[in-house]
Amino acid sequence: GAVVSQHPSRVICKSGTSVKIECRSLDFQATTMFWYRQFPKKSLMLMATSNEGSKATYEQGVEKDKFLINHASLTLSTLTVTSAHPEDSSFYICSARPDLFPYEQYFGPGTRLTVT
Amino acid sequence: GNSVTQMEGPVTLSEEAFLTINCTYTATGYPSLFWYVQYPGEGLQLLLKATKADDKGSNKGFEATYRKETTSFHLEKGSVQVSDSAVYFCALSDDSSASKIIFGSGTRLSIRP
Repeated sequence: GAVVSQHPSRVICKSGTSVKIECRSLDFQATTMFWYRQFPKKSLMLMATSNEGSKATYEQGVEKDKFLINHASLTLSTLTVTSAHPEDSSFYICSARPDLFPYEQYFGPGTRLTVT
Repeated sequence: GNSVTQMEGPVTLSEEAFLTINCTYTATGYPSLFWYVQYPGEGLQLLLKATKADDKGSNKGFEATYRKETTSFHLEKGSVQVSDSAVYFCALSDDSSASKIIFGSGTRLSIRP
């Protein structure tokens, strides 16, 4: 089946620093990927839609200068949390939509970010 | 706007019990409906889906029927196992390209041996 990986799985960073999270589709090409944020015991909230070769589309209320998204290739999207603060601590999950099967989304295992 | 409401958890059952997790939705048009499962420490996996009214999605013994008249997509399983312990998310996609999935709040299920 289609596999999506995320790296790192866990990261701890100090307040004010930036951290990059990678999302890769391992066995399929994905022009479109999605970034979600999941708060403890809460549902997933879509943050942005990442499109290869163009700017990401951010959901209302998500700061695009805070959460930088780069979709550099058909198999890789990155989310950079800039100048992180403790309130950015969360579980970040990406998903990828296969170009050959655009009605599906496959989710990565998530990245736990803790900002101290 | 579109939304998904599912029953609050946690739900705790004994092994081999019957499971129902309720899910209702609000949407314009004809959304596709999904159940995703998240096992501890893992990402989401698609459990089953239904794309039109009266469709029944099924997988791993789980079933859900797309009921347009009641705007519901309840998840059921006749005999749960300890390995079914996870968080279950009901979700909808309001366009055919699955570009935006709206999730319910999730229901944590724990199965006692």
